[in-house]
Amino acid sequence: QKEVEQNSGPLSVPEGAIASLNCTYSDRGSQSFFWYRQYSGKSPELIMSIYSNGDKEDGRFTAQLNKASQYVSLLIRDSQPSDSATYLCAVKRLTGGGNKLTFGTGTQLKVEL
Amino acid sequence: EPEVTQTPSHQVTQMGQEVILRCVPISNHLYFYWYRQILGQKVEFLVSFYNNEISEKSEIFDDQFSVERPDGSNFTLKIRSTKLEDSAMYFCASNQRGDQPQHFGDGTRLSIL
Repeated sequence: QKEVEQNSGPLSVPEGAIASLNCTYSDRGSQSFFWYRQYSGKSPELIMSIYSNGDKEDGRFTAQLNKASQYVSLLIRDSQPSDSATYLCAVKRLTGGGNKLTFGTGTQLKVEL
Repeated sequence: EPEVTQTPSHQVTQMGQEVILRCVPISNHLYFYWYRQILGQKVEFLVSFYNNEISEKSEIFDDQFSVERPDGSNFTLKIRSTKLEDSAMYFCASNQRGDQPQHFGDGTRLSIL
């Protein structure tokens, strides 16, 4: 079983629609959850972080966490063509001194005009 | 906004040679990381570094690899006797506290010929 799973996509949504990106993780010791955006050939750029169950909103982005279901999602409202990128889900354990992030393979989002 | 800077942006090296990838983390950050991303694959953790020591390393980070903080600003990754399969993007990241989001540099594209 993969540690962090994401649907690779591509997920195509029309401009102005809501894009919903999902991620599941296998390690129940996971504490911190992050969404990064990665444009082709570029580095991961932090979009959202979430640490407790529920929703966290920041502008057009909402992260949702359900630790019981081991599920984290990212909603992008009013999707724009500039949102077209690969979205990486990353997870960090509670214990362990290294603070390493475990990434999923990413979901490619395409926002169409 | 402060950034993590990496040099060079692209390094081309003959197989068997040594390479040093350089990173300048954000100035008040205390935790440093190296990740790599082989083309088309997920971002993978290599090593974390805090208080002049390796905190955690992955299975990838074998005796071929080493890290160093030679002064108060630089953080380097050395790869000895490079192999073809070392070709990848190498990302440096840092954060002020281990539980905070990690901020990534633009990466170094390493090409082994």
